[in-house]
Amino acid sequence: GESVGLHLPTLSVQEGDNSIINCAYSNSASDYFIWYKQESGKGPQFIIDIRSNMDKRQGQRVTVLLNKTVKHLSLQIAATQPGDSAVYFCAENMSGTGANNLFFGTGTRLTVIP
Amino acid sequence: DSGVTQTPKHLITATGQRVTLRCSPRSGDLSVYWYQQSLDQGLQFLIQYYNGEERAKGNILERFSAQQFPDLHSELNLSSLELGDSALYFCASSVWDSGQPQHFGDGTRLSIL
Repeated sequence: GESVGLHLPTLSVQEGDNSIINCAYSNSASDYFIWYKQESGKGPQFIIDIRSNMDKRQGQRVTVLLNKTVKHLSLQIAATQPGDSAVYFCAENMSGTGANNLFFGTGTRLTVIP
Repeated sequence: DSGVTQTPKHLITATGQRVTLRCSPRSGDLSVYWYQQSLDQGLQFLIQYYNGEERAKGNILERFSAQQFPDLHSELNLSSLELGDSALYFCASSVWDSGQPQHFGDGTRLSIL
């Protein structure tokens, strides 16, 4: 089946620095990708999404890059703040199947050092 | 606040019992999804409903079932509970049935004693 994997289980950054969280996906048919942030005791919170017809998308302080050639996704967080500390998941979907179930990676724990 | 409401927040029960978890999707969302999150399995898709009909099934056990009602709220029924069913159960919703961001509730923590 599909698998979504993260290269690093933990990431520590200094407050104010930029963070980069990476994700590899294995299903070349996936055409829709989402990044989620999960804080302790909360459900996954939508951050940003990207479709396979794009290679970059920007939000507020976040940028998602998609490299379909090597099946790689990354989330960049600019000027990381203590409130960004959480577990980050990438998820993939094949939107054309009529089934919107997401396949999640194992997550990366981001710790921001004040 | 995602707009997705799940009840109860916590549930403690014994092996062999049956429980029902409830989910109210965001206003206007037609699709509801159930996920299980455990320490050793991560977030796993269980089942999806779209406008009252089952749309997709993941690795959902036969002891588990779900339904979506005309008012679009959904219930996940877990029966003959085993210790391994202890996990966080999340509900998510989206506007349509595919290619849309899903918005998650804060989950129900199920503990089996």
